[in-house]
Amino acid sequence: AQSVTQPDIHITVSEGASLELRCNYSYGATPYLFWYVQSPGQGLQLLLKYFSGDTLVQGIKGFEAEFKRSQSSFNLRKPSVHWSDAAEYFCAVAQREYGNKLVFGAGTILRVKS
Amino acid sequence: ETGVTQSPTHLIKTRGQQVTLRCSSQSGHNTVSWYQQALGQGPQFIFQYYREEENGRGNFPPRFSGLQFPNYSSELNVNALELDDSALYLCASSLERLNTEAFFGQGTRLTVV
Repeated sequence: AQSVTQPDIHITVSEGASLELRCNYSYGATPYLFWYVQSPGQGLQLLLKYFSGDTLVQGIKGFEAEFKRSQSSFNLRKPSVHWSDAAEYFCAVAQREYGNKLVFGAGTILRVKS
Repeated sequence: ETGVTQSPTHLIKTRGQQVTLRCSSQSGHNTVSWYQQALGQGPQFIFQYYREEENGRGNFPPRFSGLQFPNYSSELNVNALELDDSALYLCASSLERLNTEAFFGQGTRLTVV
């Protein structure tokens, strides 16, 4: 069965510091990978996606992620965090053969300290 | 702004009751998926509708059912509510069935007491 693991439940970083959120997946075929962000009480906003091609993908709000097949990872990075980045971040994998259902990780809550 | 709207935003129901949640897809999108997000967890796939027919279902009991209408709006119905059904219910629409980019609504917060 497909699964997504986000090892860090909470991460706290200082404003201006760099950020890396970890994501590992278990999926037999070439995955379609996503990062979503969720502010409290809100829906999910897509930050970036990987379908194929260049393994380093750029997203909105200055985020990027790198797909590493050998490590089954799709870590999210940002060189300089802003206070407004505080939110919960979800990694997800899509299964095309099952109607594109998204399988989500449990999420990582990012806190930004000033 | 995603263009996916859900109603109501919040509601409270009693155990054993039935509830209907509604979703209006983004313009031009013919595929809608529903997810349940319990507190502190990631969203879990309930089912997907494509052109008014169910197109995939997650590990949810039959008391979770849905509909998609000709205008591609959708409903999620839950019968015989249980306390564990308390969650944020998210609707997501996609341009096509095999298009993996899903746009989410703000969700409906359901509390079962």
